[in-house]
Amino acid sequence: SSELTQDPAVSVALGQTVRITCQGDSLRSYYASWYQQKPGQAPILVTYYKDNRPSGIPDRFSGSRSGNTASLTITGAQAEDEADYYCNSRDSSGNRVIFGGGTKLTVL
Amino acid sequence: QVQLQESGPGLVKPSETLSLTCTVSGGSVSSGSDFWTWIRQPPGRGLEWIGYIHYTGSTSYNTSLKSRVTMSLDTSKDQFSLKLTSVTTADTAVYYCAKEVFWGGYYYDYMDVWGKGTTVTVSS
Repeated sequence: SSELTQDPAVSVALGQTVRITCQGDSLRSYYASWYQQKPGQAPILVTYYKDNRPSGIPDRFSGSRSGNTASLTITGAQAEDEADYYCNSRDSSGNRVIFGGGTKLTVL
Repeated sequence: QVQLQESGPGLVKPSETLSLTCTVSGGSVSSGSDFWTWIRQPPGRGLEWIGYIHYTGSTSYNTSLKSRVTMSLDTSKDQFSLKLTSVTTADTAVYYCAKEVFWGGYYYDYMDVWGKGTTVTVSS
């Protein structure tokens, strides 16, 4: 499969927990990675594989997978977490890369 | 620490060829698990994968762009390049180069290093 589906927009109250999801057939085989993008900036990697975070990414960001759905959870959302979030994985063949359409997170 | 920097013209005329280069510093393009990748983002829209090249010369391209895309690698300069032919206004976007790490045996990949992006406008 060559599609990953994300909700276009999600909102969360400051300090609360939010889950952003990504659905696709490829996720039954491949783990998703998640990226945060703020306006005018390049994306940055926030989680990958089972629940790995690059150095410098706060531990309030976590990743998980169940069936064909990958999730990015932010526990205790901060104002600076307001951004667009994208998921990606290899497609089911493993030969191509696919991105979700992105989710705009608003922190209220 | 690996860093990437895109370079190339910011303005391309319709029907001409878009050419960009990404320079890798702090590392080498000759790494087995790294796939050197181009991604673009049209104004106000999401990320679109264009393709990747591996140091072995293996390439893979987005099916929708495959007929117009060519990627190449210069290991002596630690650079990789993108050519996109017959451009139209729909190719106007910020173009990013990125390093993808892929572990096929463990079924995961991630883009851990991104360039800052370069804006390419297609206009006469």
